[in-house]
Amino acid sequence: EVQLVESGGGLVQPGGSLRLSCAASGFTFSSYGMNWVRQAAGKGLEWVSYISSSSSNIYYADSVKGRFTISRDNAKNSLYLQMNSLRDEDTAVYYCVTDGRPGLYCTGGVCYGWYFDLWGRGTLVTVSS
Amino acid sequence: EIVMTQSPATLSVSPGERATLSCRASQSVSSNLAWYQQKPGQAPRLLIYGASTRATGIPARFSGSGSGTEFTLTISSLQSEDFAVYYCQQYNDWPRTFGQGTKLEIK
Repeated sequence: EVQLVESGGGLVQPGGSLRLSCAASGFTFSSYGMNWVRQAAGKGLEWVSYISSSSSNIYYADSVKGRFTISRDNAKNSLYLQMNSLRDEDTAVYYCVTDGRPGLYCTGGVCYGWYFDLWGRGTLVTVSS
Repeated sequence: EIVMTQSPATLSVSPGERATLSCRASQSVSSNLAWYQQKPGQAPRLLIYGASTRATGIPARFSGSGSGTEFTLTISSLQSEDFAVYYCQQYNDWPRTFGQGTKLEIK
């Protein structure tokens, strides 16, 4: 079965740290770019970060740049998000999401990813004192 | 950053009728536009990519159109399971951005 399972969410104080994990199964994880997308309660969707299949291309939303670090371990079929200096506004459900196609397409020296295809069920991160 | 604007915020339609949802980009995204459906308590599900290509397993009553800055998602004959929130999203540039969503509710 093709699936993504997130873990590592929980309650953390402002300024604290948390590490999210995502376990992938049922597809060739090492071929696909991966993303974290978050959603605050009752709000819309916000893309957080992307990592290419080989980890050579990494992008972040401005709202998390310098505080969050995305990484992956293809041998373990796993994706990670290290979240430091957490703020109240980081409270959300965090989804692990695959890109819709393997690889990237590059033009003019910039590489772009694809639409979001497979989504995990999400893990809740609550930042509160 | 490309801003995606969806309209209307809420759409009330009767089962069996047609629903038309709109999405506008602040600059051209070519055909790099996707639509997602989200039901309460669930993760989003991919419906349409490339502005008009249905994802695997998506019924033919869902169709997408448009290019550049104006896009439309049409549901031809609404079924009870179609009442949900719909998001458009561009993947033409970084950061990838979503619209704020359209809630499709039963009239």
